Amino acid sequence: LAKTTQPISMDSYEGQEVNITCSHNNIATNDYITWYQQFPSQGPRFIIQGYKTKVTNEVASLFIPADRKSSTLSLPRVSLSDTAVYYCLVALGGYNKLIFGAGTRLAVHP
Amino acid sequence: SAVISQKPSRDICQRGTSLTIQCQVDSQVTMMFWYRQQPGQSLTLIATANQGSEATYESGFVIDKFPISRPNLTFSTLTVSNMSPEDSSIYLCSVYESDVSGANVLTFGAGSRLTVL
Repeated sequence: LAKTTQPISMDSYEGQEVNITCSHNNIATNDYITWYQQFPSQGPRFIIQGYKTKVTNEVASLFIPADRKSSTLSLPRVSLSDTAVYYCLVALGGYNKLIFGAGTRLAVHP
Repeated sequence: SAVISQKPSRDICQRGTSLTIQCQVDSQVTMMFWYRQQPGQSLTLIATANQGSEATYESGFVIDKFPISRPNLTFSTLTVSNMSPEDSSIYLCSVYESDVSGANVLTFGAGSRLTVL
C-alpha cells in the first residue's frame, strides 16, 4: 500500500480557499486517491475520490497531476465548520482495506 | 448511504475485564472493517471481518485480544479482552458502499469510546 505524506496542520480564515497537498510517491497504477474528513467524536466521512486530472463535487475539488505522485484537495471558501482533520489515502479501487495516515488538522478562524 | 449503528457509544471499564462492541448495518455487506483511534491519533486498522470466515488481523493485533464475530451480512462484534488503560480508544466499524459518483467509499459508524481505568 502506498504511503502518503501530508502537512500536520494548517490554518485558514473564513471565506478563503484552502489547498491541502498530499504526496504519494509510490502510488501504484491501479490506486485511487481518496480524501476523508473527520470531526471530533465522529467517524471519518468521504469527501472526494479521483484517479487522474481533476474531480469536482459539491464540496471540494481534487487535482491530480499527470505523474500522480501528489494530489491537492481544494476547499473553496471555507467556513468555521470546515475545521476538521483531513486524510489522504491511496489504495486499489474496489473493496480493499484502507490505511489512514496522520492526516492534516485544518483550523478555520473567524 | 448505509446507516451503521454501534453499541455502546461509550463505556468506562475496569482493568482486566472484557467488552464487546456491536456493529449493525442497515444493508447487507460483504466486508466490514474494525478500526481503533487512540486519543489525538489517526485510525489504525485492526481487522477485516468477512461473513462465513475468520477475520483477517493486521500486524500488531491478535485474535485472542480482539476476537471478532460476523454471524451474518449485517452484523459484527469486536471484543476487547483483558483490557488495560492502553486500550482506551475509540473503536470504529466501517463498511464499503458506492456513492453517487460510483466510487467505492468507506462509511463509518460514530464509534465506541472506551475508557479503561
